[in-house]
Amino acid sequence: KAGVTQTPRYLIKTRGQQVTLSCSPISGHRSVSWYQQTPGQGLQFLFEYFSETQRNKGNFPGRFSGRQFSNSRSEMNVSTLELGDSALYLCASSLEGATSYNEQFFGPGTRLTVL
Amino acid sequence: QKEVEQNSGPLSVPEGAIASLNCTYSDRGSQSFFWYRQYSGKSPELIMFIYSNGDKEDGRFTAQLNKASQYVSLLIRDSQPSDSATYLCAALYSNYQLIWGAGTKLIIKP
Repeated sequence: KAGVTQTPRYLIKTRGQQVTLSCSPISGHRSVSWYQQTPGQGLQFLFEYFSETQRNKGNFPGRFSGRQFSNSRSEMNVSTLELGDSALYLCASSLEGATSYNEQFFGPGTRLTVL
Repeated sequence: QKEVEQNSGPLSVPEGAIASLNCTYSDRGSQSFFWYRQYSGKSPELIMFIYSNGDKEDGRFTAQLNKASQYVSLLIRDSQPSDSATYLCAALYSNYQLIWGAGTKLIIKP
């Protein structure tokens, strides 16, 4: 079974630009969560999508948005990039999402550098 | 105030010894707790989860949960150099968000 894939793996942008990251979950998984990981901050939850609906959202500004398609693939968009947006963006898929015993499978991440 | 706290380390443990990793959380309504391992440059992968008070064992790993003290721990017996990684604790909060600690870096010395 193929794992979670994320594209692109690396991205360099300048301040003020926008960026779109893509995530393809494991086949059959309906939930996709997005995280931002920076050194010392751990994983910061951005949002979760389940069956094309945003089910949960973290404390990030509106510049961060996402969507999920009918095939469960998900994209996240960051507009008006800031230097502080430089991070590893991880996507995780799971069967049902936020349930008590739910394992999330992570993709390799997209390393975003904002200059 | 951080909601899931972990000592950032590094925690250095001799090979063959027991490594003890700790995590505290602030939401008393949290339902279940997860330990993930993240090797440098790699993505997190699940080691185990626990949702009942007490101990849960899986091979060399034991997770311990004390809901009264809002405390979760992970013990690694017979530590191996391949256990060297960052260990992330996550709590499923009552709002169904998975809240993560910043991780503890574990170094197993041969």
